[in-house]
Amino acid sequence: AQSVSQHNHHVILSEAASLELGCNYSYGGTVNLFWYVQYPGQHLQLLLKYFSGDPLVKGIKGFEAEFIKSKFSFNLRKPSVQWSDTAEYFCAVNQGGSYIPTFGRGTSLIVHP
Amino acid sequence: GAGVSQSPSNKVTEKGKDVELRCDPISGHTALYWYRQRLGQGLEFLIYFQGNSAPDKSGLPSDRFSAERTGESVSTLTIQRTQQEDSAVYLCASSLYRGVIQETQYFGPGTRLLVL
Repeated sequence: AQSVSQHNHHVILSEAASLELGCNYSYGGTVNLFWYVQYPGQHLQLLLKYFSGDPLVKGIKGFEAEFIKSKFSFNLRKPSVQWSDTAEYFCAVNQGGSYIPTFGRGTSLIVHP
Repeated sequence: GAGVSQSPSNKVTEKGKDVELRCDPISGHTALYWYRQRLGQGLEFLIYFQGNSAPDKSGLPSDRFSAERTGESVSTLTIQRTQQEDSAVYLCASSLYRGVIQETQYFGPGTRLLVL
């Protein structure tokens, strides 16, 4: 069975620091990749997604993620975080052709002003 | 337009009671998903609906769990004879359709279930 690993469970940063959250998956075939974010008191929402093409994907609010097939990774990055980025971040992976994503455990990000 | 809504937002019940959780997807979304999220865990897939049929029930943890959907509208997740390990947030999501490419899922706020 496919698994998705988010190795950083809790991350604490100061504003303006750079962010990189790791996501690794176990499936070796075609994949669709997602990052979701859940701000405090809000619904889970899509941050960005990769289906094909340019492996560097731009999302909302200045986030980006890079698909590195050889490393089975889809790390999320932001060059300069803001207090408003405080949230829970989830990586999710679909095997190609599957409609059921496998989610990672999530990473809790706290940004100090 | 309106997003995915779920009710109740919170539910406290006693062990052994049945509970029913409701999901109203975004209008026009034919695909509907139920997930469970235990404290400190990722989302665990429960069941997927395409229209009112459920081609994949593989995630339902036991026969105490069942779900149904009326057309391309409301879905209910029923847990019979609840156990303490059923305590979790139950999330519903909907998407436009099941095509070759996975469509973006839109999530509801969840129902927080606590079984005493």
